[in-house]
Amino acid sequence: GDSVTQMEGPVTLSEEAFLTINCTYTATGYPSLFWYVQYPGEGLQLLLKATKADDKGSNKGFEATYRKETTSFHLEKGSVQVSDSAVYFCALTQGSQGNLIFGKGTKLSVKP
Amino acid sequence: DAGVIQSPRHEVTEMGQEVTLRCKPISGHNSLFWYRQTMMRGLELLIYFNNNVPIDDSGMPEDRFSAKMPNASFSTLKIQPSEPRDSAVYFCASSFYGGEQFFGPGTRLTVL
Repeated sequence: GDSVTQMEGPVTLSEEAFLTINCTYTATGYPSLFWYVQYPGEGLQLLLKATKADDKGSNKGFEATYRKETTSFHLEKGSVQVSDSAVYFCALTQGSQGNLIFGKGTKLSVKP
Repeated sequence: DAGVIQSPRHEVTEMGQEVTLRCKPISGHNSLFWYRQTMMRGLELLIYFNNNVPIDDSGMPEDRFSAKMPNASFSTLKIQPSEPRDSAVYFCASSFYGGEQFFGPGTRLTVL
């Protein structure tokens, strides 16, 4: 079945460092891809998405490009802030039903 | 809009007791999802509804778990009898026709 694999955490960075969180997927057809963020004690929030190959999703300085040839959707940010400390989830969905398949999540800690 | 509302936010109960978790989706959304989050297994989809009808309940762990959606504005997830291994954070999410899923704040369940 469909699945999402993302890099194990935790990831600890200093403020203003460059961030990459790797995500690869296995899916039949043409899924839509998402990054969700979960701040401590809260539910998940959509961070960005891409619905077709070569699309780039972006939000709050974060970017991810839908790469069909490598089945990847890596999350990047050029300069992280302490406020970016959270758990990041890569996810996919197929068709119009909308049920998400999540990766395990990657915890990011940014130190001042 | 108030977003997805879940109650209670925290629940502590003893093994063998019945637990009922409640969710009010965002008004106008027609899809509702129940997820469970644990350290060991990450985020798992338990069941989802489209237009109040259960579509996929293959993620429901066993017969002790049941979910209902009597109308478009209310859903329950019931565990009877509860067991310590059911301890987790349970999230409800809603969406409009397979679009972005909006998550509630979650219910943290502890079964002693």
